[in-house]
Amino acid sequence: DTGVSQDPRHKITKRGQNVTFRCDPISEHNRLYWYRQTLGQGPEFLTYFQNEAQLEKSRLLSDRFSAERPKGSFSTLEIQRTEQGDSAMYLCASSTGLATYEQYFGPGTRLTVT
Amino acid sequence: KNEVEQSPQNLTAQEGEFITINCSYSVGISALHWLQQHPGGGIVSLFMLSSGKKKHGRLIATINIQEKHSSLHITASHPRDSAVYICAAPYSGAGSYQLTFGKGTKLSVIP
Repeated sequence: DTGVSQDPRHKITKRGQNVTFRCDPISEHNRLYWYRQTLGQGPEFLTYFQNEAQLEKSRLLSDRFSAERPKGSFSTLEIQRTEQGDSAMYLCASSTGLATYEQYFGPGTRLTVT
Repeated sequence: KNEVEQSPQNLTAQEGEFITINCSYSVGISALHWLQQHPGGGIVSLFMLSSGKKKHGRLIATINIQEKHSSLHITASHPRDSAVYICAAPYSGAGSYQLTFGKGTKLSVIP
């Protein structure tokens, strides 16, 4: 078990471009979360998957954002027409969904929009 | 709105000092996380606790569910403890148990 992995670790893009991030959760973790952290702030919830179903989305997730988790394994988060305000650390976490609620975090993808 | 408040926001300590970081939350929960984030962004889970006290090495976490308050203590602090410490509460929204995070406490331990 290698833990939660995210790719890429860093992404620099120009405003208006589309970007896609990938998260590979711990094997057989059925719950997957995306969070966003801006400089100097704690992370904020974006969206949640249970297996392949996206069950909850934050109001932070504008229509430029889309997330998928095909087959209930890895997940992708796409941002279309990026804006400078999208610059942040995007964190993925996974969980078994048991009563302990413990979530295991990936290293994050740092996005810089120029 | 579910809120998690941490104090202090910044903390500078001399090596060897005893450190306390506080966390309070507004809605009743059954467990609380303490997380550590080093420069570069990766988050490591330190504790998840639902009552009483947990200890791991020089780190001690306590929680009082009735008072909606938790503390993280570091004994004999060391420069390698320098990091951002974040508390987070799992709230059930459609059963997601998504985490609501405090803003973090930036700890700097000076040799």
